[in-house]
Amino acid sequence: GAVVSQHPSWVICKSGTSVKIECRSLDFQATTMFWYRQFPKQSLMLMATSNEGSKATYEQGVEKDKFLINHASLTLSTLTVTSAHPEDSSFYICSASDTGGYEQFFGPGTRLTVL
Amino acid sequence: RKEVEQDPGPFNVPEGATVAFNCTYSNSASQSFFWYRQDCRKEPKLLMSVYSSGNEDGRFTAQLNRASQYISLLIRDSKLSDSATYLCVGNTGRRALTFGSGTRLQVQP
Repeated sequence: GAVVSQHPSWVICKSGTSVKIECRSLDFQATTMFWYRQFPKQSLMLMATSNEGSKATYEQGVEKDKFLINHASLTLSTLTVTSAHPEDSSFYICSASDTGGYEQFFGPGTRLTVL
Repeated sequence: RKEVEQDPGPFNVPEGATVAFNCTYSNSASQSFFWYRQDCRKEPKLLMSVYSSGNEDGRFTAQLNRASQYISLLIRDSKLSDSATYLCVGNTGRRALTFGSGTRLQVQP
């Protein structure tokens, strides 16, 4: 199957700092990438959908100025958590689908801990 | 009401047992369904797609009942390695997936 990588796999930062998470499709072109967040013992919740070369579409309740998404190429999308606070601590997972769009391939996730 | 609802479990079963998980969905516009498996602190991995005609892959059988908006997963001859959280997932066609909260399975020796 297709491979999606995420970097970093985990990050610990101080409150108020910004954290950038990268999501890359390694062997296919991802026209659409999705960012999910998962709190402990809860389901994955979609945060936003990003299409290459256009602005991301954010889900209700997700602040677009706090969670900046850039999808500048067909193989890379980034999520920047600006001015992170402890309540932003979570497991952030990206997924990507190719032009066919049927299956989504998930990255390994990034565990963010904000102190 | 959640779009995709699952019994959180945990289901504790002995090795070799048969176990079934159910899932209901509320959005009748949902077009396709999947079962994903998620191990602790890992990303979800696709287990199988779910079709109205039923779908079998080895020890795993998935079924979709559109009239009742109900999805099932049957695992036969449970292995210790089957211990995980099983996520019922729907797709309304706008390409993002809607995840259930998951059903935890613990297979015991």
